[in-house]
Amino acid sequence: NAGVMQNPRHLVRRRGQEARLRCSPMKGHSHVYWYRQLPEEGLKFMVYLQKENIIDESGMPKERFSAEFPKEGPSILRIQQVVRGDSAAYFCASSTEGGRVGTQYFGPGTRLLVL
Amino acid sequence: RKEVEQDPGPFNVPEGATVAFNCTYSNSASQSFFWYRQDCRKEPKLLMSVYSSGNEDGRFTAQLNRASQYISLLIRDSKLSDSATYLCVVNRLGNQFYFGTGTSLTVIP
Repeated sequence: NAGVMQNPRHLVRRRGQEARLRCSPMKGHSHVYWYRQLPEEGLKFMVYLQKENIIDESGMPKERFSAEFPKEGPSILRIQQVVRGDSAAYFCASSTEGGRVGTQYFGPGTRLLVL
Repeated sequence: RKEVEQDPGPFNVPEGATVAFNCTYSNSASQSFFWYRQDCRKEPKLLMSVYSSGNEDGRFTAQLNRASQYISLLIRDSKLSDSATYLCVVNRLGNQFYFGTGTSLTVIP
């Protein structure tokens, strides 16, 4: 049973370009969470999605960031017009149940570097 | 005030030692509590959930004190492989999980 998969593992973008980060949850998991981790800082919640629905995006910056989890395929975190401050590790987690019940399992992360 | 606060350490302990970490949370409505470990540049991995009555998993013991709003993790007989950052995680009504910044542990031979 494969774990949570994320790709790419490393992504380099120049300022102003777009970054697309993909996350495939564990088999049987329908809940996906995205987190950002800046160097020397803790994980910060960004968004929680179920299939075709955004449940909670309160941690997502209002501009340039969007997320989706289509019926088919992986969840996508999209960052438009990247800036240097977007450089971070982006982790995806999945669970079988949402909210306070589900235990989250993390993918290996995508490390984004904006030049 | 941060949702979850941890002493960042670092804790440097010899093999075989017992070490304890504490974590405090600010919102009394918090419902679920976990400890994760994160190795350098890797993803967090669930270590254990924390139950109201306290729970033990081998060398690891977790305690929850709702009145004082803190969670603890005790590691007995430390191994070199225990070296990592330990993350305290809290969830309250809703969908957000709040992560502490982590406590760094290095076990020295």
